[in-house]
Amino acid sequence: GQNIDQPTEMTATEGAIVQINCTYQTSGFNGLFWYQQHAGEAPTFLSYNVLDGLEEKGRFSSFLSRSKGYSYLLLKELQMKDSASYLCAVRDEGGGATNKLIFGTGTLLAVQP
Amino acid sequence: ETGVTQTPRHLVMGMTNKKSLKCEQHLGHNAMYWYKQSAKKPLELMFVYSLEERVENNSVPSRFSPECPNSSHLFLHLHTLQPEDSALYLCASSQDLGQLGMNTEAFFGQGTRLTVV
Repeated sequence: GQNIDQPTEMTATEGAIVQINCTYQTSGFNGLFWYQQHAGEAPTFLSYNVLDGLEEKGRFSSFLSRSKGYSYLLLKELQMKDSASYLCAVRDEGGGATNKLIFGTGTLLAVQP
Repeated sequence: ETGVTQTPRHLVMGMTNKKSLKCEQHLGHNAMYWYKQSAKKPLELMFVYSLEERVENNSVPSRFSPECPNSSHLFLHLHTLQPEDSALYLCASSQDLGQLGMNTEAFFGQGTRLTVV
């Protein structure tokens, strides 16, 4: 079956570093996405990994290990505005080149002063 | 402004009503999607359209009926819904359906918060 697992909630302190993990089991794999979603707002794209390794983009980095079915999102120098839900999604190449994203339940991150 | 606009933002409807959700994208994308987001559950893909043709129907009940009159507009027609259909309905678009190894990110609208009473 298709399964994406990530922690439901996390708490971190302003200025600190936090790592949000995601493990997946899918029938196919054509990339892993991280999205950020503030309460009441649209999910917005953060990162995309299709090859193993670390992708860095400013304060945010994302890592992928395809052999382990594992990814993490690393947030550095946390700010209060980083309080949001972080969604891990795998693009499953199911039966054709469809952009079928399978989402986890999201990790609600609370950044405290 | 995300480039994907959904109306209405909030909708309350009775189980016997008929209503429609509207989505419009201003990004020149060729693919559009409907997702359902319920509390404590993952985003669920409902429908996928590419160049106005439906390419995915994810076992969605017939009380949800999508329509894509052109590549910029997507509708979700609702009739005889159940209380468990209450959720956030998100529309998204992408440049295309996604090529192997290519980052084809989806751009989401802010969603319609639907409550069925």
